[in-house]
Amino acid sequence: QITLKESGPTLVKPTQTLTLTCTFSGFSLNTRGVGVGWIRQPPGKAPEWLALIFGDDDKRYSPSLRNRLTITKDTSKNQVVLIMTNMDPVDTATYYCAHRPMAVTGTSFDYWGQGILVSVSS
Amino acid sequence: DIQMTQSPSTLSASVGDRVNITCRASQSVYTWLAWYQQKPGRAPKLLLYKSSTLESGVPSRFSGSGSGTEFTLTIGSLQPDDFATYYCQQYSSYWTFGQGTKVEVK
Repeated sequence: QITLKESGPTLVKPTQTLTLTCTFSGFSLNTRGVGVGWIRQPPGKAPEWLALIFGDDDKRYSPSLRNRLTITKDTSKNQVVLIMTNMDPVDTATYYCAHRPMAVTGTSFDYWGQGILVSVSS
Repeated sequence: DIQMTQSPSTLSASVGDRVNITCRASQSVYTWLAWYQQKPGRAPKLLLYKSSTLESGVPSRFSGSGSGTEFTLTIGSLQPDDFATYYCQQYSSYWTFGQGTKVEVK
C-alpha cells in the first residue's frame, strides 16, 4: 500500500525559505521511472505542479518557479524534500506530494499525501 | 507551457443526470490526459488516465474520451457522492491542471 505524508512549517514569514518533507512508504524511489512530485493548491483555486524527482535523480521544475525551487531525495529515509525560497503571501497554499508511477503504466499522479496548509504572513 | 481550459466552471445537476465536462488543451497532448475528483479538504483523487482508462476502483459510470486538444469526462448517472470539483490534467509536457469544474446540486 502506497502512502505519502507531508511535513513542515504551517506558517512562514515573507522572504523566508520554506522546507517541506514528503515521507513515503509502499514503493521504492530507487526504481528508474518512478517519481515523487510536489503540487500546491491555493485556497479555492486549481492545483499547480511545482517539481518532480525521479528514481535516477533526474529532476523537473515548473518553468515559472524554477529559480525558487530545489527538490532532493533521501532514498535511505524514503523522503523527498522541497525547498522554496523567497516566500510571499501569494504562496499561501496547501502543498501536496504525490507518487508518479513508471511511464509504461501510462498514468499520472495516482497516490497523494493529505497535504499541508502553509500560510505566508508577517 | 500547455494551458488547460475546462468548461463549464460550474455545473448544476440532479442525481441521475448524465454530466459532461469538457477540457481543451492549448496544444496537442495526444492522450496524456488525466481526470481528478476533489472534495473539500481532501487531496485530488485520480479517476481516469490516458484519456479513457479507468483507475482501479473507480465506478464505471465515469468515462473519458478525446485526444489531441479536446477531451470529455462523462458521468453516466450522477450519484450523491459525485458532487465535487473535477480537474483535468495534461502530462504530455510537464504537468498542468485545468481550472476546475464544480458539480453542484441543482
